[in-house]
Amino acid sequence: KQEVTQIPAALSVPEGENLVLNCSFTDSAIYNLQWFRQDPGKGLTSLLLIQSSQREQTSGRLNASLDKSSGRSTLYIAASQPGDSATYLCAVGGGSEKLVFGKGTKLTVNP
Amino acid sequence: NAGVMQNPRHLVRRRGQEARLRCSPMKGHSHVYWYRQLPEEGLKFMVYLQKENIIDESGMPKERFSAEFPKEGPSILRIQQVVRGDSAAYFCASSGDSKKNSPLHFGNGTRLTVT
Repeated sequence: KQEVTQIPAALSVPEGENLVLNCSFTDSAIYNLQWFRQDPGKGLTSLLLIQSSQREQTSGRLNASLDKSSGRSTLYIAASQPGDSATYLCAVGGGSEKLVFGKGTKLTVNP
Repeated sequence: NAGVMQNPRHLVRRRGQEARLRCSPMKGHSHVYWYRQLPEEGLKFMVYLQKENIIDESGMPKERFSAEFPKEGPSILRIQQVVRGDSAAYFCASSGDSKKNSPLHFGNGTRLTVT
């Protein structure tokens, strides 16, 4: 059974800092890994999707990496801004269409 | 904006009542997924549907919960005889095909409160 863990559960940083969010999964037989952002009371916004054959994906100030063999992914956020404050969710797609989610990392970027 | 639309945004039900949650997928999408987010928990898969078919309901509780995606109209998640433990945020997602590398697009969710 796939399990996804995100560390830390919460993170508070000053504006402008670069930061890394971590995601680990127990079963390396995955099809893809997706990072989402969730704002309070809102739905999920897809940030980056990494296929199992890829090592990383980039979008603007975000960079996500994937190491299938070690069961790890990281989300790197450069030059953080207060608007980046949200909960970041990691989700793994396995042999079926359903995603397995971590509990998320709640990020606060202080002005 | 042709995003995933869920309604209502908030729903309050007394114990024993029925809850109906609706989801209209993105335009052109025929695959719908329902997830539940309990307080302080991650999102958990409930059910995957295509038009008129339930493909995977392995995450659905065995009793009181049902889902459908008719040929016409939105997908419906139905919870009968609600209990306090059903209080959660219910999210719907859609994708354009069944390829496992297609990203899911989520709606804003329905927050169910059972009193």
